[in-house]
This record gives sequence, C-alpha cells and structure tokens, in this order.
Amino acid sequence: TQLLEQSPQFLSIQEGENLTVYCNSSSVFSSLQWYRQEPGEGPVLLVTVVTGGEVKKLKRLTFQFGDARKDSSLHITAAQPGDTGLYLCAGVNNDMRFGAGTRLTVKP
Amino acid sequence: GAVVSQHPSRVICKSGTSVKIECRSLDFQATTMFWYRQFPKQSLMLMATSNEGSKATYEQGVEKDKFLINHASLTLSTLTVTSAHPEDSSFYICSARAGAKNIQYFGAGTRLSVL
Repeated sequence: TQLLEQSPQFLSIQEGENLTVYCNSSSVFSSLQWYRQEPGEGPVLLVTVVTGGEVKKLKRLTFQFGDARKDSSLHITAAQPGDTGLYLCAGVNNDMRFGAGTRLTVKP
Repeated sequence: GAVVSQHPSRVICKSGTSVKIECRSLDFQATTMFWYRQFPKQSLMLMATSNEGSKATYEQGVEKDKFLINHASLTLSTLTVTSAHPEDSSFYICSARAGAKNIQYFGAGTRLSVL
C-alpha cells in the first residue's frame, strides 16, 4: 500500500499543453520533495517544500504544498518533449516514502 | 552538490550466487543510508534503513537474511543479495542522508539481472 497516492499514473500530452500532477496522503509530512527520474538512473531532486501553503517555481514548473502538509501538486506550463520522464513525489519524516510516480510523455 | 556513488551500475549473475552492491558518500559523512528497490514501471520502495555502526532496520516483507546490509563506516554502506533468484532482478538504489539535515542524496542505481 502506497503511503502517498500520486495521480495520474500515466499522462501523454502534446507539446505546449499544461498539466498538473497530484500527490495526496492522509499523513502529515515535515517536508515533501519532487523528483524526476530517467530510465536506468537514480531520481534527481527538483524541489523541497517545507511550509504548509508554500509555492515554489522552477522555470515552467510550479510546486505547491498543501496547507495541512499532507498533499502537493506539480504544475508544468507549456510542456516540452524534454519534460518527458517519471515524476515522483516523496514525503519526508524520519525517512522518505515515495508515491507511485507519474510517467509523463510529451509528444512533439 | 553532494555526491553518492553506487557500484556496480549493472550486474548479471547466475541464480544462487550472491551479489554485493556498494554505496559511498564521496564528499560528506552519511550517518544514515537507505536502500530502495524499483521494479519496472514502478516507484521506489524502501527496503531498509542503515545506520552507521548499528543494525539495519528492514521494512515489512523484506527478508533481512536475504538482503544483508552493512554500514561499517560513515561513507560506505553495502547491500548483499544472498542466493539471488530471478525474482530478485530489479533496480536497486541507495541514498545517503547528511547529518541533521533531512536531505537525501541518491546514487545512480544498480540494475541486477539474475539468470
């Protein structure tokens, strides 16, 4: 059973479209992280959100941490083929637990 | 940024053999290291938490006698898959946490294929 529910699991869109990935849990986390993973490689940290309600922007990526620190979202504006990959959210307390991941494909 | 080296990156072995995977923190001391397993098209599942100088804490369903973890120094943790079988074939990833900061740095992973 995943501690973190991530949706959608798969997403295939055209270049230029916007998308949002959701990460939900019944647990409260001290922080939440988003990672991107390429095939055959370890995950690469994109952002860490710590404060409830926090919003962080990384170029075309916007990350939000829920007020109660139980959920988060990742919004990508004007997706590009280079955004294709597996996006993982991870809730952090004493250890780190990953969501199931969202496999994004952006078609040119 | 902090670097975690994982070796080997890929290993192919026969069923019944044991395989050792190393995880090293290259530029910081890691009091805690974590081992994850990732099956194709799935997420990372935490296998065990390894604390330097003490026994590892295994997640439910992970056999401690099959997946031996040793964290003998602040920069090295090893995972040994004993008597590997085809169902153990997976992508194994380690991470290291530096000091009091709750930040983990991930290795590049080890692809294990058991024939």
